Parts: sequence; structure tokens; C-alpha cells
Amino acid sequence: EVQLVESGGALVKPGETLRLSCVVSGFTFSSHSMTWVRQSPGKGLEWVSSISHDSQDKYYAESVRGRFTVSRDDAKSSLYLQMDSLRVEDTAVYHCGRMEHSGSWYGVYWGQGTVVTVSS
Amino acid sequence: SYVLTQPPSVSEAPGGTATITCGGINIGIRSVHWYQQKPGQAPVLVIYHDGDRPAGIPERFSGSKSGNTATLTISRVEAGDEADYFCQVWDTSSYQPWAFGGGTKLTVL
Repeated sequence: EVQLVESGGALVKPGETLRLSCVVSGFTFSSHSMTWVRQSPGKGLEWVSSISHDSQDKYYAESVRGRFTVSRDDAKSSLYLQMDSLRVEDTAVYHCGRMEHSGSWYGVYWGQGTVVTVSS
Repeated sequence: SYVLTQPPSVSEAPGGTATITCGGINIGIRSVHWYQQKPGQAPVLVIYHDGDRPAGIPERFSGSKSGNTATLTISRVEAGDEADYFCQVWDTSSYQPWAFGGGTKLTVL
């Protein structure tokens, strides 16, 4: 059974730092590109970042570029999102997802999410 | 980044057919994917590559495209289908390749 479990969410103040983790099981992590999306209260899904299976390609949404860094540790079957200089508008539930390609890339499996709250 | 436009809400009675649209320039040349999300839960992929269904998704869910619009159709709507639905494309020409539509809330009357 494929499982993705996020952790690391917390209540922090603006300007502070968080590191989110996503531990996966049920598939060969090193073979798959991965992604982070978020959903702010009352809003839709927003893509945050993606990383290729070999870490060679990394993509970021304009809203987080320069502040967030995506990485992975294949030995630990884990995906990470380093979040620096957090802003109130980063408040959201963050979901990690496994990517697949058929015509184009999409998210085939997703975790339940971890809650990040940025407030003074 | 690529813009996808969805209606904010759609309503349908049980047993009816719900259609959710997703508009975008030249969407006809892009592969469109659809997700279902219920409150407090993870997104669930319901349609990929325009009209393919992942394993476990009922045949009641189907996808299509025509012109600049992609459509998710849910036949024989059930109470359990009430959720937010998002379309998504991968824009290869952008440094922000993922694009989601704003989402459509399906209410089952």
C-alpha cells in the first residue's frame, strides 16, 4: 500500500523557519519525481515545488522562490521542504505527492498533509 | 503562469449528471488531470491524461476536452461525490510548470 506521511508543521512567527518532511512507503521512492502543494484556509490547491527523481530538476512557485528549498533523501525515502522567511500568507496545509507522467506530469498519490500556521 | 478557469460551484441532485468545466488557452494541446478533495482529506486523482481513470475510480467519472475547455463529468451523482474538484495541467513552457484551476465545489442537493 502506498503511503505518504507529512510532518513538521507548526505554529511559527513571521520570519521564522520550518522544515517539512514527507516519508513514503509502498513504492520505490528513488524512481519517482515528487511535489509539494498547499491549501490555504478557504482557498484552492496551490502548487509549491517539485523535484525530479534524481534531484537534477527543481521547480518553485514564484510565491516561494528564494525562500523555500526542496530536497530528498532516497536512503530515507523522504522528501523535504525547507521553509525560510515564512510569511503570514504561507499559512496552509501542505501535502506531498508522488508524480507520474502520462501526457504530462500529475500527482497520483498524496499525503494527508501537515498544518503550517504563520502568525505573530 | 498558465491560467485555468473553473466555475466556483456546481449543484446536482442525486442520480443526475454533474459537469465541471476547466478553461484555458490552447488546453486542447495539453494533458488535463482532475482531483477530488474532501474537507480535511488528501487530494484524490480521479482523471488523468484528459480521460483516463486510475484504478479504483468509478466509471461514473469521465473526462473530455473540446476547444479551449476540458470537462469532468460525474454520472449518477451520489452524496459521497460532494467535494471540491480541481483541474491541473503541466505547462512545459513555464518555469512554474504546475497550474491548478481555482476549484469547483460540487454540492449534491
